[in-house]
Amino acid sequence: KAGVTQTPRYLIKTRGQQVTLSCSPISGHRSVSWYQQTPGQGLQFLFEYFSETQRNKGNFPGRFSGRQFSNSRSEMNVSTLELGDSALYLCASSRDRPNTEAFFGQGTRLTVV
Amino acid sequence: QKEVEQDPGPLSVPEGAIVSLNCTYSNSAFQYFMWYRQYSRKGPELLMYTYSSGNKEDGRFTAQVDKSSKYISLFIRDSQPSDSATYLCAMGFGNEKLTFGTGTRLTIIP
Repeated sequence: KAGVTQTPRYLIKTRGQQVTLSCSPISGHRSVSWYQQTPGQGLQFLFEYFSETQRNKGNFPGRFSGRQFSNSRSEMNVSTLELGDSALYLCASSRDRPNTEAFFGQGTRLTVV
Repeated sequence: QKEVEQDPGPLSVPEGAIVSLNCTYSNSAFQYFMWYRQYSRKGPELLMYTYSSGNKEDGRFTAQVDKSSKYISLFIRDSQPSDSATYLCAMGFGNEKLTFGTGTRLTIIP
């Protein structure tokens, strides 16, 4: 059974650019959550999608957005990148609830220069 | 006060020792409890999942939930150097997001 797949694994972007990250959940999982992880802040919740609808949202600015497709794959977008956006971005998938047996991908490490 | 409190460590123990990791929480609505292990530069790996109070054992790992005290624990028996990682507790309820502790960095000394 394939796990959660995130692409790309590494990204280097310049301030002001935008970036799109992709997450393919485990087959049969309909809930996809996104997190930002930094050494100082730990795991910060961005948003959760279920059946193509945003069901939960964290306290991030509007530059951070996401969407989910009918096959449950999800993307997140960050516009107008800032140096502080450098982080490990993780997605987690679960069958229906975001808080039961959520499985993480390996993450996308974003560096903004 | 944070909803979930977890001692960040670092915690160093000799190989073969029993390790005890703990989290306390303030939201009595939490009903799903998880422990994750995260190696450096990797995604968190789900170790244990429990629902409501009680114990759950899986190999060398035992998870305990005491909802009356709002306290959860993870015990690792016969600890190995490969157990060296950061351990994160996480909890949730309903369709709400998972709430994580800050993680405890554990080192097993050979």
